[in-house]
Amino acid sequence: DVKVTQSSRYLVKRTGEKVFLECVQDMDHENMFWYRQDPGLGLRLIYFSYDVKMKEKGDIPEGYSVSREKKERFSLILESASTNQTSMYLCASMDRGFRSNQPQHFGDGTRLSIL
Amino acid sequence: GNSVTQMEGPVTLSEEAFLTINCTYTATGYPSLFWYVQYPGEGLQLLLKATKADDKGSNKGFEATYRKETTSFHLEKGSVQVSDSAVYFCALKSNTGKLIFGQGTTLQVKP
Repeated sequence: DVKVTQSSRYLVKRTGEKVFLECVQDMDHENMFWYRQDPGLGLRLIYFSYDVKMKEKGDIPEGYSVSREKKERFSLILESASTNQTSMYLCASMDRGFRSNQPQHFGDGTRLSIL
Repeated sequence: GNSVTQMEGPVTLSEEAFLTINCTYTATGYPSLFWYVQYPGEGLQLLLKATKADDKGSNKGFEATYRKETTSFHLEKGSVQVSDSAVYFCALKSNTGKLIFGQGTTLQVKP
């Protein structure tokens, strides 16, 4: 089974802090994704990566950046956390080509609160 | 643009009742369609998928048929259990490769 591991289940940070969310997958997948999940809005794509050191903006990239130095690890960075970034963050990975019909495999999420 | 619309929840049913969660989509081209499920405290899991018109995806007693004429992918189950209580997300994979999710529908099954 594919395992996608997010480093923290719950995280509390202060406004203005730089925040790192880490995600690791164990199946050698090329593609990795970061979403945020908010009630009534479903999941929205923040950034994705289809290869090491490659990154693409999703639908809501403002206030975020990402890093993919190794194939198995994809980090989401909040450069200067703000209260409107309080949310559930989900990481996912997917095998093969980005446009293939392969499913995305999700981690259990990090519930981030910005005070 | 591409979008997915699900019926609003929460949906509350008694055990063994019939379940339908409506999902309609707007997309260019021929998207693949998915249902994901999120159990409390967990991430999303793929429940089923369909990649072309008239395909039926099925898993764990759940079914959904890709209806191109009505642009729909409704989720059904004949007899729900308490353990089916979760949030269900309909999603499409567009020709750009991105997954577009609906807003999610919460299902609560009471004994």
